[in-house]
Amino acid sequence: GAVVSQHPSWVICKSGTSVKIECRSLDFQATTMFWYRQFPKQSLMLMATSNEGSKATYEQGVEKDKFLINHASLTLSTLTVTSAHPEDSSFYICSAELAGPTYEQYFGPGTRLTVT
Amino acid sequence: QKEVEQDPGPLSVPEGAIVSLNCTYSNSAFQYFMWYRQYSRKGPELLMYTYSSGNKEDGRFTAQVDKSSKYISLFIRDSQPSDSATYLCAIRSSGNTGKLIFGQGTTLQVKP
Repeated sequence: GAVVSQHPSWVICKSGTSVKIECRSLDFQATTMFWYRQFPKQSLMLMATSNEGSKATYEQGVEKDKFLINHASLTLSTLTVTSAHPEDSSFYICSAELAGPTYEQYFGPGTRLTVT
Repeated sequence: QKEVEQDPGPLSVPEGAIVSLNCTYSNSAFQYFMWYRQYSRKGPELLMYTYSSGNKEDGRFTAQVDKSSKYISLFIRDSQPSDSATYLCAIRSSGNTGKLIFGQGTTLQVKP
């Protein structure tokens, strides 16, 4: 299967600072990438859809100024959590979608963010 | 009513058992059906993908889709302790929106 990487896998930051998470599709080009958030023992919650070269589409309730998404190339999308607070601590996972007709989506290993 | 319903379990079976995991969905526009396996603190791994009614087999895994009943299943034969994980069904509509609608996930434990 296709491979998606995320970096870093784990990050601790202080309240008020910003953190950038990278998502890369390693062996395919992805015009569309997605960012999810997952709380313990819960399913994935879609935060935003990222299309290469255009602005991200955020889900209802997700603050676009807080969670900045950039999809500058067909293999890289970044999520920046700005002015992080302890309630932003979570598991962030990205995925990348193969171009049609199959539309299979492959996930990265996730990034655990802890804000102190 | 949720768009995708999945029993969260937990489901506990002895090693070697056949496991049946199921999801129902409400929107007939859904065209693509996927099963993911997620280990604790890891990203989901795509196990099976299908876009038509019927069965699809891959090793010990069989995915089944019944569009008329809006019902999808994943069967695991000869289950192993390493299969212990959370299994998520995911459904996508046709078109370019790309969103996957996930079930809650079923936690499976296979006991040696």
